[in-house]
Amino acid sequence: GAGVSQSPSNKVTEKGKDVELRCDPISGHTALYWYRQSLGQGLEFLIYFQGNSAPDKSGLPSDRFSAERTGGSVSTLTIQRTQQEDSAVYLCASSFPDSYYGYTFGSGTRLTVV
Amino acid sequence: QKEVEQNSGPLSVPEGAIASLNCTYSDRVSQSFFWYRQYSGKSPELIMSIYSNGDKEDGRFTAQLNKASQYVSLLIRDSQPSDSATYLCAVSGNNRLAFGKGNQVVVIP
Repeated sequence: GAGVSQSPSNKVTEKGKDVELRCDPISGHTALYWYRQSLGQGLEFLIYFQGNSAPDKSGLPSDRFSAERTGGSVSTLTIQRTQQEDSAVYLCASSFPDSYYGYTFGSGTRLTVV
Repeated sequence: QKEVEQNSGPLSVPEGAIASLNCTYSDRVSQSFFWYRQYSGKSPELIMSIYSNGDKEDGRFTAQLNKASQYVSLLIRDSQPSDSATYLCAVSGNNRLAFGKGNQVVVIP
């Protein structure tokens, strides 16, 4: 596609529920990244994919967080048993072939846990 | 020491003036450096990239890199109200970009 597409744009969920956030990167971009940005905070790295594999999951904050990427394209970030501290904007970015040239962000998913 | 530091508080500049933003980084082997602009409620947008020491100019924006001092800066000349945003410094390393917390710029008409 022309840009990085994320869905949903907004998600309100009850504490304890599971949520799935989707990212569709720019066509041909082999690298995909998930970050989150809490109110007034910087960008926190979560996970990096190269193709379908995730060589760097070091930023995932707990085992409630998982992500996968299929077909070298779409990625899903899943948060199980959501907590209020999970409330943030979740940003996806993609690049080719890696971060050397910078990357393009999607418009983000604003997650609110109530 | 944080990977990427942007220490200045909010910066208010009159319209038409120069806004100057600074960033330091800790990883000496970093090879690429970026400035992103983020409007309130929007996602970051890449505005400048720089890979070698010296200055790089693009329109009203100039990025400066000094690898020996591990220092990156951004100058915005002839600041416009539309430049009011948060500017994020980013540095490549470990297969990803590390971001500073950003500097808010407010251009006063």
